[in-house]
Amino acid sequence: DADVTQTPRNRITKTGKRIMLECSQTKGHDRMYWYRQDPGLGLRLIYYSFDVKDINKGEISDGYSVSRQAQAKFSLSLESAIPNQTALYFCATSDRGEKLFFGSGTQLSVL
Amino acid sequence: AQRVTQPEKLLSVFKGAPVELKCNYSYSGSPELFWYVQYSRQRLQLLLRHISRESIKGFTADLNKGETSFHLKKPFAQEEDSAMYYCAPRGNKLVFGAGTILRVKS
Repeated sequence: DADVTQTPRNRITKTGKRIMLECSQTKGHDRMYWYRQDPGLGLRLIYYSFDVKDINKGEISDGYSVSRQAQAKFSLSLESAIPNQTALYFCATSDRGEKLFFGSGTQLSVL
Repeated sequence: AQRVTQPEKLLSVFKGAPVELKCNYSYSGSPELFWYVQYSRQRLQLLLRHISRESIKGFTADLNKGETSFHLKKPFAQEEDSAMYYCAPRGNKLVFGAGTILRVKS
């Protein structure tokens, strides 16, 4: 199921670098989400978007920014990466708050 | 605000034993809840939603408004049930619980 595609799958970077994680979907959904997953902390919402002109902060948006370039594309940026942003990042889409469809994740390591 | 709590980070059971993964919610309005599962090396996927009242892979979950709970249950655990399980409310923000790792031992 490649309806929600994340790139890259893995990324290692250094503190202070700018990083962009990309997500694209073929589901035709308006709603897109970015989450990070940390051991013991579960899945936490970073940003979400209901359409191209709508961006909302989630639980932990500090240090992150997003861009909704099109209905199908939602990018997450770390302007200046820090080690505690090392995590597994997931993109997801949904149709009006119903079932979420997830990408396969991006493992980011900040050294 | 819609919040869910999963009090157990890890639940370890033997194969064939009953399983109950706990989820409690704090809600205004009528709750609608989901369980998602993440098997090793796979993406998160929907397991079941309370409005459908279905049983998936032997799992069921009943909404208990009196106890504000939506616990996930299975009468006989199987090794392939080992995974991370997340409870989540339906809604705009889709904020998840912290998740529970289920380990089924042989």
